[in-house]
Amino acid sequence: DTGVSQNPRHKITKRGQNVTFRCDPISEHNRLYWYRQTLGQGPEFLTYFQNEAQLEKSRLLSDRFSAERPKGSFSTLEIQRTEQGDSAMYLCASSWDRRSGAFFGQGTRLTVV
Amino acid sequence: DQQVKQNSPSLSVQEGRISILNCDYTNSMFDYFLWYKKYPAEGPTFLISISSIKDKNEDGRFTVFLNKSAKHLSLHIVPSQPGDSAVYFCAASFGPSRNTPLVFGKGTRLSVIA
Repeated sequence: DTGVSQNPRHKITKRGQNVTFRCDPISEHNRLYWYRQTLGQGPEFLTYFQNEAQLEKSRLLSDRFSAERPKGSFSTLEIQRTEQGDSAMYLCASSWDRRSGAFFGQGTRLTVV
Repeated sequence: DQQVKQNSPSLSVQEGRISILNCDYTNSMFDYFLWYKKYPAEGPTFLISISSIKDKNEDGRFTVFLNKSAKHLSLHIVPSQPGDSAVYFCAASFGPSRNTPLVFGKGTRLSVIA
């Protein structure tokens, strides 16, 4: 399977704990995006990378959030000191040519209890 | 402030009929528009796109129309099939790099009734 892969698919954590999600993009794609989706909303942009460089961050990305893409391959999104409001689906997408659209993974559903 | 708006949260259509999903945008800088389909527990899947230099793009049963003066686009599905039942998101982007992050609407849930 050469699609975008995200792990884990589901994560339940206690408030205040740290969590880390991983995204493996399609191998030839140089752009990688993180989005967050809550109930009744469309995906909301968090941050994106071109190769290993983080080019843009949304104001939604508080200082508790950090993302990395070492060597321009997979990416990780870490949330420190999780809050109940962080409960959402976290989506990763990758792209090469926007005419073909960004390809999304299946997402990681985070539940903070 | 929502830059991409899908004002109909849901739509029900009989199998075989046409489904029309609408989307409005406010940012005149947007120059590329996409539609995504999303099934429960899956990520969005790219469906069809259109550049601002065109007013129509067709792919099989799916056609997207763009009216730049009205800042409006629509997705037509003809004929609608039960497997088309999903949430449809309209998305837009802009910029010379053409890889700026997509801005999504809230989605429209389409139900195709057999």
